Amino acid sequence: QLQLQESGPGLVKPSETLSLTCIVSGGSISNSPYYWGWIRQPPGKGLEWIGSIYYSGNIYYNPSLKSRVAISLDASKNHFSLKLSSVTAAETAVYYCARQFSAFDIWGQGTVVTVSS
Amino acid sequence: QSVLTQPPSLSAAPGQKVTISCSGSSSNIGNNFVSWYQQFPGTAPRLLIYDNNKRPSGTPDRFSGSKSGTSATLGITGLQTGDEADYYCGTWDISLSIRVFGGGTKLTV
Repeated sequence: QLQLQESGPGLVKPSETLSLTCIVSGGSISNSPYYWGWIRQPPGKGLEWIGSIYYSGNIYYNPSLKSRVAISLDASKNHFSLKLSSVTAAETAVYYCARQFSAFDIWGQGTVVTVSS
Repeated sequence: QSVLTQPPSLSAAPGQKVTISCSGSSSNIGNNFVSWYQQFPGTAPRLLIYDNNKRPSGTPDRFSGSKSGTSATLGITGLQTGDEADYYCGTWDISLSIRVFGGGTKLTV
């Protein structure tokens, strides 16, 4: 059974870079036709899509974050990663990774990232 | 403000039927598949419906999805107290080139 697990620092200082990794187990990240995505949810608010990556390297980002975000994939380690630079307190949220086709069908449990000095 | 509009909250009694609406435009719902997610407090969203009306394995047939024009609807029959959760619709927006979600509907049973 495929499982996703986010990992990374739970506290990031303002203006620094948030870095998270999503470890995929129980299946291959190179398994077509899936994309792999990042979604976040600020406390008490709704879902915001950050970006998605295909194992072949095709990536698409939320245009509102595009200048600050980078998503990469390492098939040899069966994981994909998120980097978001110059973060602000408003980006405190639960960050989820998920498998994607026409919908996000398998989600990680989420990891809380707090942006604070 | 979300691109997709959902009612912030709905309330219904156990055993009743409820419908949750998701309104968009021709650049999103009108030309793309809609999915629905259920989220309990403190947990990750769970896919309930994909491609407008398909249920993944594990979704009870009490849950149904439909789409008409630029709006989509999630229906839940035989409401149970365990259905009390937040529900989100989602799709792709061609004009904005982003995956979009509705603002969510808090269902009280």
